[in-house]
Amino acid sequence: GAGVSQSPSNKVTEKGKDVELRCDPISGHTALYWYRQSLGQGLEFLIYFQGNSAPDKSGLPSDRFSAERTGGSVSTLTIQRTQQEDSAVYLCASSLLGTSQSTQYFGPGTRLTVL
Amino acid sequence: KNEVEQSPQNLTAQEGEFITINCSYSVGISALHWLQQHPGGGIVSLFMLSSGKKKHGRLIATINIQEKHSSLHITASHPRDSAVYICAVATSLNDMRFGAGTRLTVKP
Repeated sequence: GAGVSQSPSNKVTEKGKDVELRCDPISGHTALYWYRQSLGQGLEFLIYFQGNSAPDKSGLPSDRFSAERTGGSVSTLTIQRTQQEDSAVYLCASSLLGTSQSTQYFGPGTRLTVL
Repeated sequence: KNEVEQSPQNLTAQEGEFITINCSYSVGISALHWLQQHPGGGIVSLFMLSSGKKKHGRLIATINIQEKHSSLHITASHPRDSAVYICAVATSLNDMRFGAGTRLTVKP
């Protein structure tokens, strides 16, 4: 497709379960970003990939969160042992180059609900 | 104090009015982005600025690096402009810091 896609669009899980969120960036985009937006809150930066590597993982909220990107394309964000405070919309974006050099294109998000 | 401050938090305007949304930041940046989030949740990037001014249709964005301030202007506002406008800064470490957003409602 032409845009950034994310799957699933909605995910409901029980506290303590692991979840995996997927992002397919625009073809050829080298930079990929994960953000989250909790209900009624602003956007929060989680992690940035340039190619397959993430220079800084300090934005991840806890060690239950991990992310990887393979082949310079698809990225997965994994949350282990989910907690209710993890409930949020998780957004992915991609850009041709890095944050100071090109426009970011956002996916539709994955709405995660932890019961 | 947040690193990225937006004002106003909420803004209601009549169709046709000129609108200004302000953003001040306190960190070193490599670029500033203005984003638009519609009620359905989708986010669109409006502008990316590192200096000066950019114009796209009825939207104008300016940035003053020395004063660490940016403004987003909408001329001849229309109800379809109703959305949340978010200021975001890209730091030299390639992370992004976001303002809380300005909720704009344009009434016909």
